[in-house]
Amino acid sequence: DQQVKQNSPSLSVQEGRISILNCDYTNSMFDYFLWYKKYPAEGPTFLISISSIKDKNEDGRFTVFLNKSAKHLSLHIVPSQPGDSAVYFCAADNTDKLIFGTGTRLQVFP
Amino acid sequence: ETGVTQTPRHLVMGMTNKKSLKCEQHLGHNAMYWYKQSAKKPLELMFVYSLEERVENNSVPSRFSPECPNSSHLFLHLHTLQPEDSALYLCASSQDRLAGGPEQFFGPGTRLTVL
Repeated sequence: DQQVKQNSPSLSVQEGRISILNCDYTNSMFDYFLWYKKYPAEGPTFLISISSIKDKNEDGRFTVFLNKSAKHLSLHIVPSQPGDSAVYFCAADNTDKLIFGTGTRLQVFP
Repeated sequence: ETGVTQTPRHLVMGMTNKKSLKCEQHLGHNAMYWYKQSAKKPLELMFVYSLEERVENNSVPSRFSPECPNSSHLFLHLHTLQPEDSALYLCASSQDRLAGGPEQFFGPGTRLTVL
């Protein structure tokens, strides 16, 4: 049973617009949620995280929103840039291990 | 070297071969992880070492054998693998939870192909 789900395998957004990547989870006991970005032939790179006691965390162009009642989080990228084209993974912290979603491939076109 | 490094980056092996994957972290962390990433599947945690002791083994077949000689180095010894073991193997490191947050930092991975 998959505890962290990213239901959209891909997303295409025009440069300068907002990209919204979504993630759903099933376990209400998760402490932290994280977003990673992965380019081809590289390992995942940590982007931003949010504690379960918060509902928003912002870092530059990246903002993560957490809706605990809906067990849903989202990553907003604004404005989107071509260099943001990558696979984005959400992950949930379960005590001392991370549980990952399957990823969403974001393509930002000019 | 900075961050987390992995060697080799690519490996092709037959089912009867024995090989080892190497990971080294230069971040001063004290926990290290092996993950497997297969196509269209989430990253699967294989092994966790904290302070050089194995604390998690997610029912991984015995043909995968980890070794953590110190907090900076992690190995994954491979023998008699199957074609379905072909995947990207990722190493990660972090501070243990008492010292830091949950963020893990990944190496570039080893792309393994088993013929």
